Amino acid sequence: DTGVSQDPRHKITKRGQNVTFRCDPISEHNRLYWYRQTLGQGPEFLTYFQNEAQLEKSRLLSDRFSAERPKGSFSTLEIQRTEQGDSAMYLCASSLVRDEKLFFGSGTQLSVL
Amino acid sequence: RKEVEQDPGPFNVPEGATVAFNCTYSNSASQSFFWYRQDCRKEPKLLMSVYSSGNEDGRFTAQLNRASQYISLLIRDSKLSDSATYLCVVNSGNKLVFGAGTILRVKS
Repeated sequence: DTGVSQDPRHKITKRGQNVTFRCDPISEHNRLYWYRQTLGQGPEFLTYFQNEAQLEKSRLLSDRFSAERPKGSFSTLEIQRTEQGDSAMYLCASSLVRDEKLFFGSGTQLSVL
Repeated sequence: RKEVEQDPGPFNVPEGATVAFNCTYSNSASQSFFWYRQDCRKEPKLLMSVYSSGNEDGRFTAQLNRASQYISLLIRDSKLSDSATYLCVVNSGNKLVFGAGTILRVKS
C-alpha cells in the first residue's frame, strides 16, 4: 500500500499521560500536514512541514503539542500532559509542493479518560 | 466568523434526485478550492477541484463565484452510495481550510 499510513489507529490514555503518533506520507510527497477532527466538525489545521522544515503552526496549538519530521520522511506528533479536550481524530495528510491536493491517512483516534 | 461555512444538513433525498450544496468563504485571497467527501469514520478523500470556469465530473458539477465568495456542488441522479459528508475546502496561505461539512443521505 503506497498511501499515507498512521500508527496507531486507536489510542486510549489517561489524563496527564504523554502520547505520540506516527505518520508515514506518500514517499514522493514533500509536504506533510497534521489536522485534528472532532465529531460534527471538519478537519482543523494543526501544523505542516515541507521536507524537514516545520513552516506553519496553528496559533490554536498549545505548547503541549509538538511535531517533528526528521530527515523529511515520516513525522511524529506528541501531546504532553493530555487533557480530555484533546480527544479527537488526528489526521495526517501529504501532498506535493506543486499540487495542493491532500491525501489523508486513516487517522489516529485518541480518547483521553 | 468561520473561514469556510456550510449548511450542515442533513439533506435527505430519494435516489435519482438532484441535490445542491453551497459554501461561502471569507478569505478573498484564496486561490484554490476543492470538494472532499468523507464517509462515516473514514478519512476525507478528494472529490474534485473547483475551477473558475466551473467543472463537471460525471454526475458532479462544481462552480465558483469569486465575487460572492461562494462555491457550489451539484449532484445529479443521486445514488445510495453518494451518502456521505461533503466538505468544502479553501486554501489560506499554504494550508487548506475545511468547512464543517454537509451531510447527504440518499434513500431508496
